[in-house]
Amino acid sequence: GAGVSQSPSNKVTEKGKDVELRCDPISGHTALYWYRQSLGQGLEFLIYFQGNSAPDKSGLPSDRFSAERTGGSVSTLTIQRTQQEDSAVYLCASSLQQYTYEQYFGPGTRLTVT
Amino acid sequence: GNSVTQMEGPVTLSEEAFLTINCTYTATGYPSLFWYVQYPGEGLQLLLKATKADDKGSNKGFEATYRKETTSFHLEKGSVQVSDSAVYFCALRSGFGNEKLTFGTGTRLTIIP
Repeated sequence: GAGVSQSPSNKVTEKGKDVELRCDPISGHTALYWYRQSLGQGLEFLIYFQGNSAPDKSGLPSDRFSAERTGGSVSTLTIQRTQQEDSAVYLCASSLQQYTYEQYFGPGTRLTVT
Repeated sequence: GNSVTQMEGPVTLSEEAFLTINCTYTATGYPSLFWYVQYPGEGLQLLLKATKADDKGSNKGFEATYRKETTSFHLEKGSVQVSDSAVYFCALRSGFGNEKLTFGTGTRLTIIP
C-alpha cells in the first residue's frame, strides 16, 4: 500500500518568507509526527498528533512554527518568517494507534533558506 | 529527560567484517528501543526493535539486545555487505502507545568491497 508522502520534496525560500510543508499519512493511521533532521541538531522531534487529542507541541523550537491536522489525516507544518537556521530536512511519520510501535517515515522535505 | 548516545562515525569496514555500533540510553521507566536505517537517497525505515529488557531484536542479519543493567542496545552484524552502507540511528520511546522518538546522532557506515 501507499506509504507516507510529503510535499514538496525540496523547497528553497528567502529569509523572512513563510513556508508550508505537507504530509499525507498512511491511511488509517491515527498518530502523526513531525521531526527535523539538521546537521547541527541531528534528528529532533517537533510535534505529535494523536486522534482528536490536543497535539504535543513540546518540540517546536519557536512560535514561528505551527502545525495542524485536518480531518485526522493530512497535516501541514507552517514556518513563518523563515530563518537560515530553519534549513533542514523535515520528516513526517505516522503510526497506528495502540497496536504497533512502529513509526513509518516519509521521504522528507528538504528546506533551504537563503 | 530522555537521551540516546550513539557511537560517533563515520565507520568504514571491509566486506564480511564484523560490525558493532554502540548505543546507550538514559530514560525514565521502561522504554522501547529501536534501530532505524537510512539508505542513500531513501527515507528512514525501522531495522529492528525491542520492547523490554533482555529482548533481542533482529532483522536482515542485524541484532541488538536490550540490556537494562548497562542501559545499552548495541547493533551487531556478523558479516557486513556493501549494501549495508547507510546511516544508522538508535532511538528510544518511553511509555506506552504512540509517543515521540528520541534519536541518537546517527552513525554513517561505509562498507568497502
